[in-house]
Amino acid sequence: DTEVTQTPKHLVMGMTNKKSLKCEQHMGHRAMYWYKQKAKKPPELMFVYSYEKLSINESVPSRFSPECPNSSLLNLHLHALQPEDSALYLCASSLSQGNNYGYTFGSGTRLTVV
Amino acid sequence: TQLLEQSPQFLSIQEGENLTVYCNSSSVFSSLQWYRQEPGEGPVLLVTVVTGGEVKKLKRLTFQFGDARKDSSLHITAAQPGDTGLYLCAGFNAGNNRKLIWGLGTSLAVNP
Repeated sequence: DTEVTQTPKHLVMGMTNKKSLKCEQHMGHRAMYWYKQKAKKPPELMFVYSYEKLSINESVPSRFSPECPNSSLLNLHLHALQPEDSALYLCASSLSQGNNYGYTFGSGTRLTVV
Repeated sequence: TQLLEQSPQFLSIQEGENLTVYCNSSSVFSSLQWYRQEPGEGPVLLVTVVTGGEVKKLKRLTFQFGDARKDSSLHITAAQPGDTGLYLCAGFNAGNNRKLIWGLGTSLAVNP
């Protein structure tokens, strides 16, 4: 298995809703990442988990809450989002946080906040 | 702050033409990664270069890492419509809190 699987593919939520994005990989990778991406722009790092511990939080607003239940799963809990949070949310993994050799990305969740 | 300058930002060419995309920095990277992204999908890793002066080929794509490991280029020969997409370079430096530094991307359109 060489994939990162993200669900759902698309999500529309109101500003008062609570929803979660899910990410799963079975490649034995010990680093997992959440990125946010706007159209035709590079991904922006949000969070990094290394060996299931939060390693980096790029000063992300608290309405985004990450969780890493085990080495294969990564969640992003969403609450009270703003319309400007609409974007493609990407999960990625790598062998380790210090790994030089590249990331495997999921297909992303297209989030629209109304 | 480490930066990666990627150029050109947009490129529209005819099928069969050649093109080169550049990624430049004043900083040294331990590796330089190239990704291709199609609309609505995640980036897909094309190649990682780690040795100064390294050249890697992937069918019609040729990647080069500069001798000083500060710059990289992607050359596509005889571009095809299937090459259309967003090309992103990303540099890795273990000293930068082990985060990838991303170029702004090159949006390539290959017209039949």
